[in-house]
Amino acid sequence: KQEVTQIPAALSVPEGENLVLNCSFTDSAIYNLQWFRQDPGKGLTSLLLIQSSQREQTSGRLNASLDKSSGRSTLYIAASQPGDSATYLCAVKKGAQKLVFGQGTRLTINP
Amino acid sequence: GAVVSQHPSWVICKSGTSVKIECRSLDFQATTMFWYRQFPKQSLMLMATSNEGSKATYEQGVEKDKFLINHASLTLSTLTVTSAHPEDSSFYICSARTRTGTDTQYFGPGTRLTVL
Repeated sequence: KQEVTQIPAALSVPEGENLVLNCSFTDSAIYNLQWFRQDPGKGLTSLLLIQSSQREQTSGRLNASLDKSSGRSTLYIAASQPGDSATYLCAVKKGAQKLVFGQGTRLTINP
Repeated sequence: GAVVSQHPSWVICKSGTSVKIECRSLDFQATTMFWYRQFPKQSLMLMATSNEGSKATYEQGVEKDKFLINHASLTLSTLTVTSAHPEDSSFYICSARTRTGTDTQYFGPGTRLTVL
């Protein structure tokens, strides 16, 4: 059974810092991995999707890496801003259609 | 593009009543829709996968008779929580996969259900 773990569960940093969120998964036979952002009481916004054959994806200040063999992914956020405060979820897809989510990292950027 | 809506955004009901939640893909056709529930400060747990015109596939431990899913068209899926109890109080989120078959799931904004 695929399990996804995110560390840390919560993170608070001052504005302007670069930071890394971690995601690990137990079964390396994944189809892809996706990072989402969730604001309080809201749905999910897809940030980055990495196919199993890819090593990383970048979008603006965000960079996600994937090391399938070790079962790890990182989300790097450069020059953090208060507007980045949210919960960040990673999810892996194995085979058909089902996404398995981690429990998320609650990120707070302090002005 | 690829917008998914949910209605209502929040609902409060009495124990024992049934509640219907709608999930719509506004600008694309979705052959597959997914229903998740999320408890406070926890992750999303997949409840069921529904394909247009066929019966939903429920995850282990999810009662199909309690959580009725109907995917009658390519743009609409409904989740009905029957005989709701306080323990059914949760945040319900749907997602839709485009007909073109890309891997991306587009998520709705969620529905907060509170059962008194």
